[in-house]
Amino acid sequence: KAGVTQTPRYLIKTRGQQVTLSCSPISGHRSVSWYQQTPGQGLQFLFEYFSETQRNKGNFPGRFSGRQFSNSRSEMNVSTLELGDSALYLCASSSATSGETQYFGPGTRLLVL
Amino acid sequence: QQPVQSPQAVILREGEDAVINCSSSKALYSVHWYRQKHGEAPVFLMILLKGGEQKGHEKISASFNEKKQQSSLYLTASQPSYSGTYFCGTEKRTGNQFYFGTGTSLTVIP
Repeated sequence: KAGVTQTPRYLIKTRGQQVTLSCSPISGHRSVSWYQQTPGQGLQFLFEYFSETQRNKGNFPGRFSGRQFSNSRSEMNVSTLELGDSALYLCASSSATSGETQYFGPGTRLLVL
Repeated sequence: QQPVQSPQAVILREGEDAVINCSSSKALYSVHWYRQKHGEAPVFLMILLKGGEQKGHEKISASFNEKKQQSSLYLTASQPSYSGTYFCGTEKRTGNQFYFGTGTSLTVIP
């Protein structure tokens, strides 16, 4: 099976812009979670989608949003970018919503100037 | 709600053993362990679903003490390939939020 793929891999934006990141889960996986990783804060949970519904949301401002399509692909959007949004954004897929292994994609590295 | 890991960093010589601990203030449903090498995505090591459960493969094993809300990862006869940052990930009994621990940097010197 192909692994989790994320596009783009690298992105440079300026403050105030918005960005959309994409994640394609492993075939058959219906749960997609998004994480932000920074040197200072470590891995932080953003949100989780299962069958096109947001099941859980982390403690991030409303500028961070996401959605999931019927084919389980997911997108994450960040509006009005801030310098502090510079991070590695990881998505992970699993076959269920809890107690299951999460498989991570390679991540999208976002730099906000 | 982020689990706390200890130690924060450890340096070993090849062949030495290490224990990494993960503690949560919340009741846990499961504990996952991941290893992340520099510049790479986290890679799954193992998952523990029941209190008291112990799992392992080769020289890496883990235990889960549900009552104490703690998990420990044991690495024996370490190899340089074990180097990386180890994260525990925890799920609560209610809800599906997943929290990663603070991370433990492990360096094995040949």
